[in-house]
Amino acid sequence: NAGVTQTPKFQVLKTGQSMTLQCAQDMNHEYMSWYRQDPGMGLRLIHYSVGAGITDQGEVPNGYNVSRSTTEDFPLRLLSAAPSQTSVYFCASSYKRGAQETQYFGPGTRLLVL
Amino acid sequence: GEDVEQSLFLSVREGDSSVINCTYTDSSSTYLYWYKQEPGAGLQLLTYIFSNMDMKQDQRLTVLLNKKDKHLSLRIADTQTGDSAIYFCAGGIQGGKLIFGQGTELSVKP
Repeated sequence: NAGVTQTPKFQVLKTGQSMTLQCAQDMNHEYMSWYRQDPGMGLRLIHYSVGAGITDQGEVPNGYNVSRSTTEDFPLRLLSAAPSQTSVYFCASSYKRGAQETQYFGPGTRLLVL
Repeated sequence: GEDVEQSLFLSVREGDSSVINCTYTDSSSTYLYWYKQEPGAGLQLLTYIFSNMDMKQDQRLTVLLNKKDKHLSLRIADTQTGDSAIYFCAGGIQGGKLIFGQGTELSVKP
């Protein structure tokens, strides 16, 4: 299994540009999430999905859209990039065993917005 | 909402024990987790503890949970330079809503 893959690894955008961060998992996990990581702030949840066709907002959803048309893919769209969206973005998928969830993280996408 | 707090830095000498601490506000999390992030990489699950347990040991790792004080700790015995990383505690809530602390950067000096 490839696990959780993310593309691109690095991206530079100009303010106002749009782009899509790709995330795919081949473990047939129901749950997928997007986080951003900023220095001194840990990981903050942007959006998450509990299954194909179902998405919900996390802690910091503004400026981002998601969709989940298949179990495998969970793309994150930046509608109009702003410098405040400069961050490292992590996608994760998870499965549940009873009440316990195990999350698997992708390697991250480093985004710089000028 | 839930808040999870960690100290930002810890420095130890190789061979010593490291203790990374975490406090949380919401006691409804069924599980509490420790993740490790090496430079330039994603997070990797280290270990977790069920909220009904007080302690869990896994080789060099010991997790202690004090439910009354809402305090979680991770002890790494015989710390090695390869343990240098950022360690995140997280409170798990259903549906992928994992709340993370800010991360503790562990530096191991030879």
